[in-house]
Amino acid sequence: KNQVEQSPQSLIILEGKNCTLQCNYTVSPFSNLRWYKQDTGRGPVSLTIMTFSENTKSNGRYTATLDADTKQSSLHITASQLSDSASYICVVSDRGSTLGRLYFGRGTQLTVWP
Amino acid sequence: EADIYQTPRYLVIGTGKKITLECSQTMGHDKMYWYQQDPGMELHLIHYSYGVNSTEKGDLSSESTVSRIRTEHFPLTLESARPSHTSQYLCASSKRGSTDTQYFGPGTRLTVL
Repeated sequence: KNQVEQSPQSLIILEGKNCTLQCNYTVSPFSNLRWYKQDTGRGPVSLTIMTFSENTKSNGRYTATLDADTKQSSLHITASQLSDSASYICVVSDRGSTLGRLYFGRGTQLTVWP
Repeated sequence: EADIYQTPRYLVIGTGKKITLECSQTMGHDKMYWYQQDPGMELHLIHYSYGVNSTEKGDLSSESTVSRIRTEHFPLTLESARPSHTSQYLCASSKRGSTDTQYFGPGTRLTVL
């Protein structure tokens, strides 16, 4: 069964600190992995996308890594800001259908305190 | 910021009412999607469309229906709302390719009393 598991479920950090969010998946055949940021009451916004051959991708203070052998990904946030408070969702796409079906994790709820 | 819009943003209605959630995108995307999301849970695909006059049911069974008469418009209708339909509904769109990024609207928070 295709699944995406994220940890931790929630995380509280102080402004300026770094943090790392984890994602494990069993989706096969694998196409790509995205990290989305979802602010409360808003739709998700794509942060990074990685294909099988990529093992790291950065977008400003966000750096995603991918280990396709162990089927694990992480999202590292550097020098956190209050605006980073949001849910971070790991999304894996398969290449077994023309739709490009997406499998969503439940997200990690990050809270940044001043 | 993606050019995909949803209205209304919030809706509180009584049981038995018919409702239509609107979704429009101005990016010329062929594919459009409707997801349902409960607090703290993952998104579930309930409907999708490859293009005009194409609609398919998603992974999660839903009593809602959709239509795709125009490329830019993908409304979702509930003929008779029930409290079990209370949820957040997110619309998304993407280009034709199977690996293209899906862009999400802001969502409609539906509460059925």
